[in-house]
Amino acid sequence: AQSVTQLDSHVSVSEGTPVLLRCNYSSSYSPSLFWYVQHPNKGLQLLLKYTSAATLVKGINGFEAEFKKSETSFHLTKPSAHMSDAAEYFCAVKTSYDKVIFGPGTSLSVIP
Amino acid sequence: NAGVTQTPKFRVLKTGQSMTLLCAQDMNHEYMYWYRQDPGMGLRLIHYSVGEGTTAKGEVPDGYNVSRLKKQNFLLGLESAAPSQTSVYFCASSSGQASNQPQHFGDGTRLSIL
Repeated sequence: AQSVTQLDSHVSVSEGTPVLLRCNYSSSYSPSLFWYVQHPNKGLQLLLKYTSAATLVKGINGFEAEFKKSETSFHLTKPSAHMSDAAEYFCAVKTSYDKVIFGPGTSLSVIP
Repeated sequence: NAGVTQTPKFRVLKTGQSMTLLCAQDMNHEYMYWYRQDPGMGLRLIHYSVGEGTTAKGEVPDGYNVSRLKKQNFLLGLESAAPSQTSVYFCASSSGQASNQPQHFGDGTRLSIL
């Protein structure tokens, strides 16, 4: 069975410092992995996706994620946090055309 | 660019009332989904559709029905609303069968059942 674990329900960083949001997945075969961001009262917006090409994936707004098969991880990073990055972040795994499994989400706070 | 549009944005219902949530997409996507989002639980799939005239059950389908009479529209119905259905509902669509196709989301419908 496929599953997604987001290890931190809440992360707080200072503006200008690095961001690390952790995601681990469980899948019986090679998955497609996604990170989405959700701002208050909005739907989810795609940040980036991994689809078995390069293991380091660059997304929008300076975010990137690295797929590590040996660790079954797909952690999201950004070198320098901005106030506008404060939001809820969801990791998701898609293993068939009709099913996506979302993690429970990580709330990111950015302190000025 | 409209993308995925959900109506209404907010609704308050009394227990036992019925209502229909509408989702419309203008991207000619084949696949459409309904999720509910509850605190600390991420998104849970209610029903989905892989094309016009087709529907299938997701993870939490009980108490909901759906219809996909037109490719661009996906309706979610609550026949007899219950307080446990208080949630934020999201519709999403995606383009194809390939597993690398992301989903595009609407802004949600906030539903309260009293």
